[in-house]
Amino acid sequence: DAGITQSPRYKITETGRQVTLMCHQTWSHSYMFWYRQDLGHGLRLIYYSAAADITDKGEVPDGYVVSRSKTENFPLTLESATRSQTSVYFCASSDKSLQGTRYEQYFGPGTRLTVT
Amino acid sequence: RKEVEQDPGPFNVPEGATVAFNCTYSNSASQSFFWYRQDCRKEPKLLMSVYSSGNEDGRFTAQLNRASQYISLLIRDSKLSDSATYLCVVNIPPPTGANNLFFGTGTRLTVIP
Repeated sequence: DAGITQSPRYKITETGRQVTLMCHQTWSHSYMFWYRQDLGHGLRLIYYSAAADITDKGEVPDGYVVSRSKTENFPLTLESATRSQTSVYFCASSDKSLQGTRYEQYFGPGTRLTVT
Repeated sequence: RKEVEQDPGPFNVPEGATVAFNCTYSNSASQSFFWYRQDCRKEPKLLMSVYSSGNEDGRFTAQLNRASQYISLLIRDSKLSDSATYLCVVNIPPPTGANNLFFGTGTRLTVIP
């Protein structure tokens, strides 16, 4: 059971370059999320997706682009990387429980991105 | 005002001690509550859900007080392996996105031999 995977696990890139972080889940969960985690801020939501071809902005979407052509994949692209985007990026997925009220999310291992 | 607020700690406790973490949330319409655990440089992992009547999972007890918008986590008989950061998490109710969660910044626990 692979669960949710992210690639690459570590990435160093230069300012102004485009970089794509990959996320793949094998649970067929409807919802997928991208967070960034920085000291002092905790986890902040960048974008989320409720289903294939449905995406929406979270708390900090500027400078990021997402797509979701298949349920299992949710790539995050930094169109022109900036130093302020140096962070740890986590992908997560969730699905409604049978009761329809529990929304626990399951996280991938994270990608550590450094923009120089 | 932050959606979820936690005491950042750190809490340094000896093995075998009982320790409690508290958390407050701002949105009275929130419906789902969780505690996640995050080890250093790892992803957050679900520790337990928090139910209205309170719930227990082994050495861990979670309580919810809706009137005060307050969540707690009690860890009894602390183990070295409990050392981690504990994240308080609540959902954002519709229509902004029923599956969206707000994460507290976490409370760091170190259990000392």
